[in-house]
Amino acid sequence: EVQLVESGGGLVKPGGSLRLSCAASGFTFSTYSMNWVRQAPGKGLEWVSSISTSDAYIYYADSVKGRFTISRDDAKNSLYLQMNSLRAEDTAVYYCARVYCSGDSCYSVFDSWGQGTLVTVSS
Amino acid sequence: EIVMTQSPATLSVSPGERATLSCRASQSVSSNLAWYQQKPGQAPRLLIYGASTRATGIPARFSGSGSGTEFTLTISSLQSEDFAVYYCQQYNNWPPLTFGGGTKVGIK
Repeated sequence: EVQLVESGGGLVKPGGSLRLSCAASGFTFSTYSMNWVRQAPGKGLEWVSSISTSDAYIYYADSVKGRFTISRDDAKNSLYLQMNSLRAEDTAVYYCARVYCSGDSCYSVFDSWGQGTLVTVSS
Repeated sequence: EIVMTQSPATLSVSPGERATLSCRASQSVSSNLAWYQQKPGQAPRLLIYGASTRATGIPARFSGSGSGTEFTLTISSLQSEDFAVYYCQQYNNWPPLTFGGGTKVGIK
């Protein structure tokens, strides 16, 4: 069974930093691109960042570019999001999400999600 | 950036009735369109990708159609477990991957 478990959320002051982790199990982590998607309280979904296999491609939403860094450790089956210079508008539940693959084809849609970790940026 | 617009924002439907949700893209996304269902306190669940292909384990009452800029998600006969928020997402031209604002399907 595919499992994604996020951790590392919490309350942080504006300008502070936080590192989110996502522990993956039940699949060959190294062969999947992974993503972070967030959802502000009562709002819709917002894609944050994507990292491909072997770190070949890394992308960010403009809203976090230069402040957030995505990374992965395939030996530990883990995905990370380093968040610096946090702002009130970064307050959200952050989900770790796996792309969907069928055979040799992968699609930039998300078939497995974690339960999310809440990040609150407030003084 | 491709902007995805969903309508209506809220839809009230009686159990057993059909629900039709719309998603419009600001430019063509071909058939690279997905639909998700999200219930309160839960992560989203992938329903449809490729505009019309059901994901694994998704019941046949969920169907997707459309291409280019206009898409539809139809739930043929609403069950109690289908009352939720539905999001569309384009993956044709990214970054960024973009989602619609969601349609909340509630009980009439």
